[in-house]
Amino acid sequence: ETGVTQTPRHLVMGMTNKKSLKCEQHLGHNAMYWYKQSAKKPLELMFVYNFKEQTENNSVPSRFSPECPNSSHLFLHLHTLQPEDSALYLCASSQDQAGLYGYTFGSGTRLTVV
Amino acid sequence: AQTVTQSQPEMSVQEAETVTLSCTYDTSESDYYLFWYKQPPSRQMILVIRQEAYKQQNATENRFSVNFQKAAKSFSLKISDSQLGDAAMYFCAYRSGSYGGSQGNLIFGKGTKLSVKP
Repeated sequence: ETGVTQTPRHLVMGMTNKKSLKCEQHLGHNAMYWYKQSAKKPLELMFVYNFKEQTENNSVPSRFSPECPNSSHLFLHLHTLQPEDSALYLCASSQDQAGLYGYTFGSGTRLTVV
Repeated sequence: AQTVTQSQPEMSVQEAETVTLSCTYDTSESDYYLFWYKQPPSRQMILVIRQEAYKQQNATENRFSVNFQKAAKSFSLKISDSQLGDAAMYFCAYRSGSYGGSQGNLIFGKGTKLSVKP
């Protein structure tokens, strides 16, 4: 049991589709994160939420739209994606945004844009 | 801005032997935290070990230990008695000791792929 659950595990979508990625944690953490992991590149931070409020948008294109309805759930809504958006999308959480003890990660959603 | 460099894209070790993965970082801060994460084929990033910069003692977790050289800005991971289950991508990460804004976010290196030969 990872503590952070991401669904779906795999997703293939066309460039005109709209889909959503879901992340859920019941660790009592108050900060949640979306990361993009591409081959041979460092993990790229996309969004940070702290107590349901977005505290960081790391210059992410508007075709990615996050939503955090409560401290346990985080969504990433996708629309009009490009093939270069194909990657592993990882969700993580931490007790608070300080994250001094590291983050707990999910197993990611492998996204392929065709 | 801080950066994290892992100079070994791939490493290989024989089962039961010891391997050291390298990590260097660039920062002007004196207070920060360093982490090693493991990402097996299951894709979940798992925290392996954590080091606080103001602590001189190297962190250890069972077969995993670090060699933290603050002056050299080096943070290598040593895996002793390597096991087949240690095969994974290993990521080094840095976190500023400052609070607020993007300073608290983890900064990752590109990773080192470790293979374990039986």
